[in-house]
Amino acid sequence: GEEVAQTPKHLVRGEGQKAKLYCAPIKGHSYVFWYQQVLKNEFKFLISFQNENVFDETGMPKERFSAKCLPNSPCSLEIQATKLEDSAVYFCASSQSLVSYGYTFGSGTRLTVV
Amino acid sequence: AQSVTQLGSHVSVSEGALVLLRCNYSSSVPPYLFWYVQYPNQGLQLLLKYTTGATLVKGINGFEAEFKKSETSFHLTKPSAHMSDAAEYFCAVSDRDGNQFYFGTGTSLTVIP
Repeated sequence: GEEVAQTPKHLVRGEGQKAKLYCAPIKGHSYVFWYQQVLKNEFKFLISFQNENVFDETGMPKERFSAKCLPNSPCSLEIQATKLEDSAVYFCASSQSLVSYGYTFGSGTRLTVV
Repeated sequence: AQSVTQLGSHVSVSEGALVLLRCNYSSSVPPYLFWYVQYPNQGLQLLLKYTTGATLVKGINGFEAEFKKSETSFHLTKPSAHMSDAAEYFCAVSDRDGNQFYFGTGTSLTVIP
């Protein structure tokens, strides 16, 4: 399809629980990116993939966050033992290539940790 | 790392008036430049982008932006605002390797009837 599909749209977890978010990139796009929008206007880069390989993970809080992009499956972002500060909207984006195309973003998953 | 400055976190215009949203970047090498729009509870939609070539870029919904290297700016304009333009607008840049985007803090556009 021509859109990046993110599920679920909303996710509520108790502090300490696990959260798993999914992203289906646009068919034919080789790159997938995850961003965290904590405050309304602040985007933080988390991780990028080239196909199933991690391309850049410099933004990932490595202790509790992990991500995968496996062949023939949606990409996933998993947070173990969620904390209150993990509450945010998590955006996935995909792109044909790194250079110049711009990303196509999904509509995001709003994670609320209570 | 790049940085992006959007002057004016809130802009109000009357319906039919000119829309001007400002964006400046910091980079000695011209990056790739983008404008995204975010409607409430939705993702980011690409309005337009500058990579190379003509410095005046036309996008969707009647928006355009001009890359001015001397001013390190990429301001977004629309000649006549419509009520449906009310949204949050983000300027973004990426390095020429394109791996990461750096977003500005956004400008909330209100259109007054």
